[in-house]
Amino acid sequence: DTAVSQTPKYLVTQMGNDKSIKCEQNLGHDTMYWYKQDSKKFLKIMFSYNNKELIINETVPNRFSPKSPDKAHLNLHINSLELGDSAVYFCASSAGATSGILLGTQYFGPGTRLTVL
Amino acid sequence: DQQVKQNSPSLSVQEGRISILNCDYTNSMFDYFLWYKKYPAEGPTFLISISSIKDKNEDGRFTVFLNKSAKHLSLHIVPSQPGDSAVYFCAASARKTSGSRLTFGEGTQLTVNP
Repeated sequence: DTAVSQTPKYLVTQMGNDKSIKCEQNLGHDTMYWYKQDSKKFLKIMFSYNNKELIINETVPNRFSPKSPDKAHLNLHINSLELGDSAVYFCASSAGATSGILLGTQYFGPGTRLTVL
Repeated sequence: DQQVKQNSPSLSVQEGRISILNCDYTNSMFDYFLWYKKYPAEGPTFLISISSIKDKNEDGRFTVFLNKSAKHLSLHIVPSQPGDSAVYFCAASARKTSGSRLTFGEGTQLTVNP
């Protein structure tokens, strides 16, 4: 009955490779997010989708491309991985803008630790 | 430009005592504040939230206080339990202007000693 799930949990890869991280939520939420937690432990938003539409796109290299096949899934594809991409990536979801009081309360997945060698 | 700050990287308290975690913010457009708890190798878990129209919200052992004039909020845990040991993140959003975008603080590691 996992609410927000991510795969894989750990990902170790060589510089220059292309990799994907998958996220799924079964909460019926309209909005999904990708966050990056860097070595200083800051959680910073990267992208957000609402009903498969991109609504937040922070200053992230073009090598990062989110894809939302449906509102329950938001995958993150990373091209030409670099050493600085090593971090923990968290997926999250929240009820959409029409839900009023729930706006802003986000529920997180367990994270994917990406290590680029 | 860090808009949400948690100036104490760590806090250690005895079991049964009160834990007070602090958070300061600079953006006056923030109107919704949340606290998340994070255990190692897990994602952040939503704990409690408060809207800017309130100054206090209580849920069991957890109480969040908001002082808008000081742009300061705090999380009180009483009584503290060893299972409360985790990293606590403060987060804020400006719902009218930025929707559901959350800005996080850097976290405070709470250790509750038996």
